[in-house]
Amino acid sequence: GQSLEQPSEVTAVEGAIVQINCTYQTSGFYGLSWYQQHDGGAPTFLSYNALDGLEETGRFSSFLSRSDSYGYLLLQELQMKDSASYFCAFNAGNMLTFGGGTRLMVKP
Amino acid sequence: KAGVTQTPRYLIKTRGQQVTLSCSPISGHRSVSWYQQTPGQGLQFLFEYFSETQRNKGNFPGRFSGRQFSNSRSEMNVSTLELGDSALYLCASSYGLAGREETQYFGPGTRLLVL
Repeated sequence: GQSLEQPSEVTAVEGAIVQINCTYQTSGFYGLSWYQQHDGGAPTFLSYNALDGLEETGRFSSFLSRSDSYGYLLLQELQMKDSASYFCAFNAGNMLTFGGGTRLMVKP
Repeated sequence: KAGVTQTPRYLIKTRGQQVTLSCSPISGHRSVSWYQQTPGQGLQFLFEYFSETQRNKGNFPGRFSGRQFSNSRSEMNVSTLELGDSALYLCASSYGLAGREETQYFGPGTRLLVL
């Protein structure tokens, strides 16, 4: 079957670095995406990894290891506005499958 | 470009009724996917429409259906509503098939409450 696992909740302090892990299981795989969703808002795209390695976009980086079926989202210099839910999702060719989401709470 | 729009934004229905939600994708996008989001459940895939054809369907009962028009606008319908159908319904659009595109663009969602 197809599934993703990510922690349900992470807490970090403003200015710190936090890593949100995602492991997946699927028979077909095109790439791993990350989305951010603030309470009451729509998910917005953050990053996409099709190949192994690190993709950096400002304070956010995403990593993928296809051999380990594993990826992570790294958020640096955390700000209060980063408090949100973060979803990993894999593209399996026929559909996009989302994980359950990780709720990140940034404290002062 | 205008973003993905969904109407209505909020809806209250009673059990047994049926409801139709609408989604207008970004201009030029041919794929529209629908998701159900409930607290703590993440995004559950409902179905994807591409060029007026349903390409994939998630694990939902037949009460959930949809269609796509020639202008790529999509509607989803839920018949015989149940309390458990209360959720945020999100649609997302992309130029190509959702499973092969890097980015999905989400609308603001329709929050449905079933009483």
